[in-house]
Amino acid sequence: AQKITQTQPGMFVQEKEAVTLDCTYDTSDPSYGLFWYKQPSSGEMIFLIYQGSYDQQNATEGRYSLNFQKARKSANLVISASQLGDSAMYFCAMREGDDKIIFGKGTRLHILP
Amino acid sequence: DAGVIQSPRHEVTEMGQEVTLRCKPISGHDYLFWYRQTMMRGLELLIYFNNNVPIDDSGMPEDRFSAKMPNASFSTLKIQPSEPRDSAVYFCASRHYNEKLFFGSGTQLSVL
Repeated sequence: AQKITQTQPGMFVQEKEAVTLDCTYDTSDPSYGLFWYKQPSSGEMIFLIYQGSYDQQNATEGRYSLNFQKARKSANLVISASQLGDSAMYFCAMREGDDKIIFGKGTRLHILP
Repeated sequence: DAGVIQSPRHEVTEMGQEVTLRCKPISGHDYLFWYRQTMMRGLELLIYFNNNVPIDDSGMPEDRFSAKMPNASFSTLKIQPSEPRDSAVYFCASRHYNEKLFFGSGTQLSVL
């Protein structure tokens, strides 16, 4: 069963607009963590942001914020003021307990000039 | 630290040949993960180790795939015999307990 769901295979957004990338997850473990990674065309995997299941505040890292809605099991990534360099593949991931980390299928984001 | 080091970066082989992918995790990290990335299936977890011990290999697609971690600084993923459908990018990643994953640069495998 799919535990991490990213429903948007691709998105096109105008430069300088805000972007929301969707991610829903499924776990019965009370302790878990949620990550977002960026993969540009060069292929490297770049860590963006992390949210723990017990964290009271939504995580923020510069232009990135994580809209964590625990009851809805969603962990959407928000990118403010998008830039051309944000064009990439974005992966949502979940750590269950202390161990395994699994990824969604990703969303390809295209920023238009 | 040099980060997670994978070799080779690219591997082209013929169907039926044995393929060995190598990974050196970041020193001090106690978890090591192998992932496979394809367009159709995204990033699939193949297997992960904790303190050199395989914990979950349920993602290993077939008996043709095997992985070892003989010590804290080295792991291999072997495919024998290889098939065209094994063509993908294989990532190794490591982390310390309760921290984020650090990825290697990946191995682009092409099986002809």
